[in-house]
Formats: sequence, structure tokens, C-alpha cells
Amino acid sequence: TQLLEQSPQFLSIQEGENLTVYCNSSSVFSSLQWYRQEPGEGPVLLVTVVTGGEVKKLKRLTFQFGDARKDSSLHITAAQPGDTGLYLCAGATQGGSEKLVFGKGMKLTVNP
Amino acid sequence: GAGVSQTPSNKVTEKGKYVELRCDPISGHTALYWYRQSLGQGPEFLIYFQGTGAADDSGLPNDRFFAVRPEGSVSTLKIQRTERGDSAVYLCASSLLRSGELFFGEGSRLTVL
Repeated sequence: TQLLEQSPQFLSIQEGENLTVYCNSSSVFSSLQWYRQEPGEGPVLLVTVVTGGEVKKLKRLTFQFGDARKDSSLHITAAQPGDTGLYLCAGATQGGSEKLVFGKGMKLTVNP
Repeated sequence: GAGVSQTPSNKVTEKGKYVELRCDPISGHTALYWYRQSLGQGPEFLIYFQGTGAADDSGLPNDRFFAVRPEGSVSTLKIQRTERGDSAVYLCASSLLRSGELFFGEGSRLTVL
């Protein structure tokens, strides 16, 4: 069974702080996706990383895929209250996103 | 609407009853997925349709769960003889192409008493 472990699972910070959330596995994934989910809504895709060592930036968010394609990180700079939500990583194992394996998520609260 | 639509948004039922959950994907999306998200967990894959056929149903937990997509658009997830452990949010997603970006609906929250 392929598992994705996310850490930390919960984080409460003040506006303006930086944070990093990690997504680790013993399995190799063909790609890895990061989603953000708000209460009562479905996950929304933030980014897909495909190549080992790849780094992608989305405004204040920086995503990195590990060289061995087993792990990933999400770094948020100068967090804002609007960043509050559940951040999920998901790995694809069949060359695409037909069957994603999700982590449990990291619940982020950014206090004003 | 422009997004994935799921009905009902909430369903409360008694143990042993039959339940149907409906998903209306984004128009033109050929791929459709069902995931289940239990409290405090990430979504768990159930089944994937490409067109009318179930391309991968390996995530269905047992034979009480069944899903159809008869015309390659709307899909229905059917759960027989519901159990308390079936309580979860059932998420549907669609994508334009196989391996394309997934767009999730808001989910159907099922509570089995």
C-alpha cells in the first residue's frame, strides 16, 4: 500500500510568518500534486510537479519535488489569513492522475 | 453550472438502507472519478470512469458499492445495506482528458445512523 505522510498535520501561525509543509513516501510517484481544500468544498489543484528536483513557484507558494520523486515540500512566504485551509499532497502512480494517493493533509490557520 | 455538481449535498440514512449519490461532471469531460473522504483523512480513491466504462474500480471497498455512468456523463454511486463506517464525504471529480487536471465537486456528506 502506497502511503503519503504529511507533516505537520496542524499549524497555527501569525500573519506574515513563513512555513513549510512536507510530504513523504517510501514509494516513487510519476507526479505529485498539491491541493488546497476549504471546509465544505472539494480540493482545488494548486500545482503538479513531474520531474525529480523540480521547483515551481505560484506567487508566495514554492513547491519542490524530491530528486527521487518520493517526497515534496510546500513553502509559503509571508502567510496571509486567506491561506487558511487544508493542504493535501497527492501522488500519481500510473503516469497520470487516474488514481491519486492522498496524504491526510495539513490544516493551516493563519491568524491576523 | 460551470463546475462539478453533486447531489444531495447531505444525506442522513439509517443502517441497512440503500443510498444513491449523483455526480454531474463538467460538460465535455470524459473522465470521472469518485473519492471518499473520512473525517480527518485525505480523499481515498474509489473508482475511475473513462467514458461509460469503469476503467479502474479497485478502490471500491466491497460489493455493497457500485457506480455507473451509462451515457458517459452523469454518474451515480450506489451503496447497498449501508453501515455506520460508510459515513464520509463522497467526492466526485472530472477531467477533460485522461491524466488531465481534476476538478472536484463540493461532495455529498453521507451520515449513516
